[in-house]
Amino acid sequence: GENVEQHPSTLSVQEGDSAVIKCTYSDSASNYFPWYKQELGKRPQLIIDIRSNVGEKKDQRIAVTLNKTAKHFSLHITETQPEDSAVYFCAASTPALHYGGATNKLIFGTGTLLAVQP
Amino acid sequence: SAVISQKPSRDICQRGTSLTIQCQVDSQVTMMFWYRQQPGQSLTLIATANQGSEATYESGFVIDKFPISRPNLTFSTLTVSNMSPEDSSIYLCSVRGLAASYEQYFGPGTRLTVT
Repeated sequence: GENVEQHPSTLSVQEGDSAVIKCTYSDSASNYFPWYKQELGKRPQLIIDIRSNVGEKKDQRIAVTLNKTAKHFSLHITETQPEDSAVYFCAASTPALHYGGATNKLIFGTGTLLAVQP
Repeated sequence: SAVISQKPSRDICQRGTSLTIQCQVDSQVTMMFWYRQQPGQSLTLIATANQGSEATYESGFVIDKFPISRPNLTFSTLTVSNMSPEDSSIYLCSVRGLAASYEQYFGPGTRLTVT
């Protein structure tokens, strides 16, 4: 089945610097890659996503890039602010037909704790 | 996106008992899922809640331990049966809306502590 690896597990940056989190996936049939931000004690929030027919997507200070050949995708946060501090999870969606299920399912990476130092 | 609520938000239960968690969405959704998040860990899919039929469970999760109901397109329940301290975790409901949509959203979670 699909396996998603995420690095680094912790990342500390100075306010205003950029942060990059990387994920690799194993199933070449995966076709959807969301990123979630989870603040302490809160639910995971979808912040950006990308589909396999697109190489890059940007939304203000955050961007995601996808390299299908290498099977990896990355989250880029520019001009980091203290409120960006949280745990970030990547995920990959395994198509239902590929594993014999009824619907696509999300497999999550292990998470990255981002700390933005003021 | 849909507004998702869960009840209870937290509970402390004794081992050997069962707890039913409810997930309510303010609009009809195509898919509902249940995840577990152990302290400091990632999200693990327990099962897909299928409307009008038995849930589809992931490897390592069984119906006897985690019975799931989904009587309509806006509501689902997850029961954690015969609980042990290892079941202490956050349980999250997640939904996907439109049939052609990939976007998936999470409820606020239920923090369960088993003593």
